[in-house]
Amino acid sequence: ETGVTQSPTHLIKTRGQQVTLRCSSQSGHNTVSWYQQALGQGPQFIFQYYREEENGRGNFPPRFSGLQFPNYSSELNVNALELDDSALYLCASSLTSGRAGNEQFFGPGTRLTVL
Amino acid sequence: AQSVTQLGSHVSVSEGALVLLRCNYSSSVPPYLFWYVQYPNQGLQLLLKYTSAATLVKGINGFEAEFKKSETSFHLTKPSAHMSDAAEYFCAVIGASSASKIIFGSGTRLSIRP
Repeated sequence: ETGVTQSPTHLIKTRGQQVTLRCSSQSGHNTVSWYQQALGQGPQFIFQYYREEENGRGNFPPRFSGLQFPNYSSELNVNALELDDSALYLCASSLTSGRAGNEQFFGPGTRLTVL
Repeated sequence: AQSVTQLGSHVSVSEGALVLLRCNYSSSVPPYLFWYVQYPNQGLQLLLKYTSAATLVKGINGFEAEFKKSETSFHLTKPSAHMSDAAEYFCAVIGASSASKIIFGSGTRLSIRP
């Protein structure tokens, strides 16, 4: 069984640029959630995708957008990067069948630095 | 709105001593509660979860947590700390929306003294 993988591991961008982060779900999972973890803080929910459609969004501006593909892999896109976007971005996959207690399995994260 | 509060951003214990990490939750409905561990430069790993079954929940690596509704608490304990337990620990609650988003606390860094 393959776990959740994310790419790239690290990324350095400058203000105003755009970035795409990628996530491959654990085998059999149809739901992907993205979280932003700033240094020294707990992860903050960005959004969730279920069967290729957005299924909830946290308090993040529209320049944070996402996609989920038919194989349930996912992308997180961030436009017009700001210094405060520097963080660890975590992807989590789960098998959602309407039960809130389903475990979410986390990838190792992508460390984004905006200069 | 649901939330969790972790008391103490940093806890230091001696190897072999009791580990106690505190978490209080706020929820208008019966919550699902979780403890996650994060080792340096890694993602989050689920230690244990409470889903309204037994109030004492046993997890991996010898950790357990007790759900106390009267105190709105879900503290994490381990009888004897090991050097390998040094990590960041996050208490979390499932949100009320259909997205099942996890709401995390701010984390507690656990250090183990030799």
